[in-house]
Amino acid sequence: DAKTTQPNSMESNEEEPVHLPCNHSTISGTDYIHWYRQLPSQGPEYVIHGLTSNVNNRMASLAIAEDRKSSTLILHRATLRDAAVYYCILRDGDYGGSQGNLIFGKGTKLSVKP
Amino acid sequence: DTGVSQNPRHKITKRGQNVTFRCDPISEHNRLYWYRQTLGQGPEFLTYFQNEAQLEKSRLLSDRFSAERPKGSFSTLEIQRTEQGDSAMYLCASSLAWTEHEKLFFGSGTQLSVL
Repeated sequence: DAKTTQPNSMESNEEEPVHLPCNHSTISGTDYIHWYRQLPSQGPEYVIHGLTSNVNNRMASLAIAEDRKSSTLILHRATLRDAAVYYCILRDGDYGGSQGNLIFGKGTKLSVKP
Repeated sequence: DTGVSQNPRHKITKRGQNVTFRCDPISEHNRLYWYRQTLGQGPEFLTYFQNEAQLEKSRLLSDRFSAERPKGSFSTLEIQRTEQGDSAMYLCASSLAWTEHEKLFFGSGTQLSVL
């Protein structure tokens, strides 16, 4: 599986934007970029995913570099409830195959200061 | 639908005892996953089922670990002769196969402490 590299930790102030980077230099053409986050004492939850184009949903935006070797998860206005570990994961786009599981790294621990 | 449910939330046991955890997935989901997570690490894949068939097992799943999903609904994970190194959070997730990008939905986990 292609690997991702993320900073161990980041800090943000409440109500400010947060940009969480992820490097994936060995990404293949069929790999989608998925982001999950894990709030304290909870299981991970899906945030967003994309292939080539930038993506937006109610939780966040995903900006993908033109060469796809890096991406950035953007939280437009961080709240205290966004304090979590954020995981960037590559997933083969051949859904329905045997590669159903997600491979997690250590992620980025985001702290949000009031 | 209340999401993925795991029981118990916490389990304390003595070394050498057997423990069993239960996971109830989202009702229409046909895939069910087990992960293990230790402090400061991301979740590590253990095994997954599609309906009642166990399709993949990680090398982390030693002979003391066994998982079942007898009717393709709930699943159990049993650890025999527990060791202190088994202390971790055990997470269950479910998904609907053959859907676009197959999002995984996780439970809150069972925290195991082996004394």
